[in-house]
Amino acid sequence: GQNIDQPTEMTATEGAIVQINCTYQTSGFNGLFWYQQHAGEAPTFLSYNVLDGLEEKGRFSSFLSRSKGYSYLLLKELQMKDSASYLCAPMDSNYQLIWGAGTKLIIKP
Amino acid sequence: GAVVSQHPSRVICKSGTSVKIECRSLDFQATTMFWYRQFPKQSLMLMATSNEGSKATYEQGVEKDKFLINHASLTLSTLTVTSAHPEDSSFYICSARGSRETEAFFGQGTRLTVV
Repeated sequence: GQNIDQPTEMTATEGAIVQINCTYQTSGFNGLFWYQQHAGEAPTFLSYNVLDGLEEKGRFSSFLSRSKGYSYLLLKELQMKDSASYLCAPMDSNYQLIWGAGTKLIIKP
Repeated sequence: GAVVSQHPSRVICKSGTSVKIECRSLDFQATTMFWYRQFPKQSLMLMATSNEGSKATYEQGVEKDKFLINHASLTLSTLTVTSAHPEDSSFYICSARGSRETEAFFGQGTRLTVV
C-alpha cells in the first residue's frame, strides 16, 4: 500500500530552525512535493525534489533520499507566519500525489 | 507559478439542493484536473481525476452520481454536489496540471456548508 508518515505536530521558537521529517512508501516514484497549508486555505507549493540531495530555496530547504524513502523540510529563521500545516506529498507511478495528514507547526514567540 | 481560480470560496446551501463549484486555469491549459475534499484536521482526499474531454476517474468510495465532474475545456472543470446533505459539508479543493507540468496548481478552495 501507499503510506506517508509525518509527525502530527511540532512546536518551535521564533527565529529558530525546525526540521520536519517524512517517510513514505509509494507504488513507483516521480518526485516528492512539500506544501504549506494555513488553516482554511488551499495548500501552496514549497518545493519539489526528484533527485537525491538538498534543494535550498531561501529560508526553506528540502532533502530527499529515494533509497530510504525519506525526505525532510528544513525551515530557518522561523517567523510567526510560518505557523501552518506542512504536507509531504510523494508522486506515484501514475503521477498522482499521495497525501498524508501533514505536520502542524506551532511557532512561539 | 500558474494561477488557478476556484469559485465560490464559500457557499451555504439547504439540504437536498445542488451546488456547482468551478475551477479555472487562468494562464495555462489544464489537461488534468484533480478534485479533493478535506475534512477538518484531516488529510486531503482525492475524489476524482479528470482529463479534458473524457470522463472523470473516481476514487473508491466516491459516488460519481452524487459528485458530477465536467471537464469540457482545457481551462474549466466543474464539480456539482447533487442533493447535498450535511455530511457533504467540507472544504473542496481543485488542482490543475498542464501537459508539460509535473506540479499541480491549487485553487483557493470552496468551503461548503449544508444546512
